[in-house]
Amino acid sequence: DAGVTQSPTHLIKTRGQQVTLRCSPKSGHDTVSWYQQALGQGPQFIFQYYEEEERQRGNFPDRFSGHQFPNYSSELNVNALLLGDSALYLCASSLRRKNTGELFFGEGSRLTVL
Amino acid sequence: KNQVEQSPQSLIILEGKNCTLQCNYTVSPFSNLRWYKQDTGRGPVSLTIMTFSENTKSNGRYTATLDADTKQSSLHITASQLSDSASYICVVSDRGSTLGRLYFGRGTQLTVWP
Repeated sequence: DAGVTQSPTHLIKTRGQQVTLRCSPKSGHDTVSWYQQALGQGPQFIFQYYEEEERQRGNFPDRFSGHQFPNYSSELNVNALLLGDSALYLCASSLRRKNTGELFFGEGSRLTVL
Repeated sequence: KNQVEQSPQSLIILEGKNCTLQCNYTVSPFSNLRWYKQDTGRGPVSLTIMTFSENTKSNGRYTATLDADTKQSSLHITASQLSDSASYICVVSDRGSTLGRLYFGRGTQLTVWP
């Protein structure tokens, strides 16, 4: 049973470019959340997807957008990259009907913006 | 404002010793509190999840306590091992939505020395 998988694991971009990060949730999970974690900080909530729609959103600009596909996998897109977007981007999956259910994280995608 | 505060920010202990990490929160309404372990550059891994009615929950050498009246939680690590070196993150969920919003602490960085 595969857990949450993310790709790519590492990538380097330059300011102004666009990036797409991908996430496959744990088998049986239907909800995907994305987090940004700067070095030495706790994860910051970006948004959550369920039934292919954005359900909740944190305090992130519109440059951050996402998508969820019918197979529950998800993408995070960031446009017009800034140096401050350099971080570990974590995807987490869960089962929506279980509010206290386990939240499983992927290993993250390390984005460096030069 | 919903917040999660953790202390200490960092901690160094010798292998075999015990330690206790603290988490104070102001999240309301409260649904559950989770402790995660995050190795450097990796995704967080769940240690415990506690709801309002639970005071103590153990997972091997990890024991979490919750006092919902004072809004405090602690994570006690017994007989520490080198592999316990990691960041320990406290996460609190509210009941503001179908799938509670998660509030992350900044983590306590634990280093275990031989």
